[in-house]
Amino acid sequence: AQSVAQPEDQVNVAEGNPLTVKCTYSVSGNPYLFWYVQYPNRGLQFLLKYITGDNLVKGSYGFEAEFNKSQTSFHLKKPSALVSDSALYFCAVRLSSGGYQKVTFGTGTKLQVIP
Amino acid sequence: DAEITQSPRHKITETGRQVTLACHQTWNHNNMFWYRQDLGHGLRLIHYSYGVQDTNKGEVSDGYSVSRSNTEDLPLTLESAASSQTSVYFCASSHSGRGSYNEQFFGPGTRLTVL
Repeated sequence: AQSVAQPEDQVNVAEGNPLTVKCTYSVSGNPYLFWYVQYPNRGLQFLLKYITGDNLVKGSYGFEAEFNKSQTSFHLKKPSALVSDSALYFCAVRLSSGGYQKVTFGTGTKLQVIP
Repeated sequence: DAEITQSPRHKITETGRQVTLACHQTWNHNNMFWYRQDLGHGLRLIHYSYGVQDTNKGEVSDGYSVSRSNTEDLPLTLESAASSQTSVYFCASSHSGRGSYNEQFFGPGTRLTVL
């Protein structure tokens, strides 16, 4: 079975400071990893993904994430937070091999950027 | 621009009634998904489809059904609505390929309340 853990329900950060939203995963094989963002009353929007190759992945709106296989982590980062980054962030994982593989989502982390 | 739409956006119904939620995408994606979002659970997969006439059960499929008669639409039917099915429902689609690592595109969601 595969799983995703987002250990923090909420992360507060001051505007202009770096932010990190944590994600760890468990999967029996090589993973594909995703980050999505959800603004209030909206559907999820794709931010970035790790498939293979460079462990540092860059995505939309200045976000990046680092894949760490030994720690089974895929933390989302941004060098300088904006108030408009305040939203709900979801990490997701699926197996890289085989046919259709279910995508498992974490429970989400609410990011609050304080002006 | 291509998009994915859901209707209605809000629905209130009574226990025991049949309810159908619509999902329409103009991405021409073969893969379509239905999720429910509940506090503390993140997103959970209800049903998914690889293409026309193909449907598969997800992890929380009891009490739900789908049908896929064309590429664009995947309606979700609650056969006999129950209070436990009060939730926010999201439809999503992704580019074809059962082993695809492509990200999913989400609709805006339908908030369903079962009284």
